[in-house]
Parts: sequence; structure tokens; C-alpha cells
Amino acid sequence: GAVVSQHPSWVICKSGTSVKIECRSLDFQATTMFWYRQFPKQSLMLMATSNEGSKATYEQGVEKDKFLINHASLTLSTLTVTSAHPEDSSFYICSAWTGGTGNTIYFGEGSWLTVV
Amino acid sequence: GNSVTQMEGPVTLSEEAFLTINCTYTATGYPSLFWYVQYPGEGLQLLLKATKADDKGSNKGFEATYRKETTSFHLEKGSVQVSDSAVYFCALQETSGSRLTFGEGTQLTVNP
Repeated sequence: GAVVSQHPSWVICKSGTSVKIECRSLDFQATTMFWYRQFPKQSLMLMATSNEGSKATYEQGVEKDKFLINHASLTLSTLTVTSAHPEDSSFYICSAWTGGTGNTIYFGEGSWLTVV
Repeated sequence: GNSVTQMEGPVTLSEEAFLTINCTYTATGYPSLFWYVQYPGEGLQLLLKATKADDKGSNKGFEATYRKETTSFHLEKGSVQVSDSAVYFCALQETSGSRLTFGEGTQLTVNP
């Protein structure tokens, strides 16, 4: 199946700094990418939907200025957590849609963020 | 709005037992339905899917049938293995390329 890769898998940063997480579709072009956040033992919470070349659409309650999403190409989307705080520590997962009528959305491996 | 409800976990079974994880949904249209599996510390992997009523998705011994009359998509496996221990998520997608709506997830533990 299609492959979606996230980097880094693990990251620790200091409070107040910014950290960038990359999401790449390795063997297909992704018209749409989705960013999720998952707390321990909970389901996935959609943060935003990004389409290549346009601004991301954020879900209600998600701070646009804090979670910057850029979808600069059909194979790359980035999530930047700005001025990170300990409460931003979480598991962040991206997913990408292959396009067409296949309806299949593939997920990355996830990125663990710890803010100290 | 759309929603997905899964049976509460955790579910603990012995190896070779029969597995059922219930999933029901609410949607305004005719969504596609999915089961994803998440192993500890990893992202989600697509397990199976069904795009229209009466379709049966199957993979790795797991199967689920899209039942429009009962708005259900229950996951089943005839004989589970220890390696099946993971969290299973039921999800729906209203239209092609649109967001996925997830259930709460069901933790499955299979003991040898």
C-alpha cells in the first residue's frame, strides 16, 4: 500500500521553543493531508485539513497561530508547534489521501512530542 | 453530524478465541467504512474497508460487513493470535477525500 512517513518519530524540546514535524507521502501525490493529535488511551482528534497550495482548515478550538500547517507540495506537509508548552506534549499523526475514487487515507507512523 | 460508536474495551481474549468488536455509525449519507489498527507507539494502519452496503472487507483473517439496515460494521476474526493485540478503530468517511470520523478505539489483548 501507499506509504506515509513522518519525521521525527520522537522529539523533545524546551518550553517556549518551536518544533517542526514533517509528513511525506513517499510513493504518491497527496492532494489532501490531515493532522491529528492523540492523547494516551484516547481516539484521534482532527486538528486541521490541508490542501496543497492553500491555507489549512482548522477544527474548532485548534489555535491556528500555535499549530502552523504548511502543505507546500503534493508530497510534503509540515506541522510547526510554536512556543511549545508542556501541555502540547502529545502524539501527532498525519494522514494523506491518495486522491481519486479509492477513498483510502493512509497514516504516518506518528510523532511523539515531549515539551520539558 | 456523523458519529461512530465502538464497543467499550478493553477486550481480553485467549489465543484462538473468536473476536467481535462492535461498531455502529450515524451518517447523513452513504459513507465508506473502515477499520484501522494501531500497535503500541505507532501510527494507524488500514486493516480493511467497505464502500457500499453489503460489501465485506477482509484482511489478515479479519472481516467486517457493511450493514446499512443496522448501520453497523462489526469487526470479526475467527481465531485471534497474540500478535493481534492492538487498538482497533472503526471510522467512517462521508465522501471521497473528506475527513475520517473515528470511534473511541477498542484495546484488544490476546493472551497465549
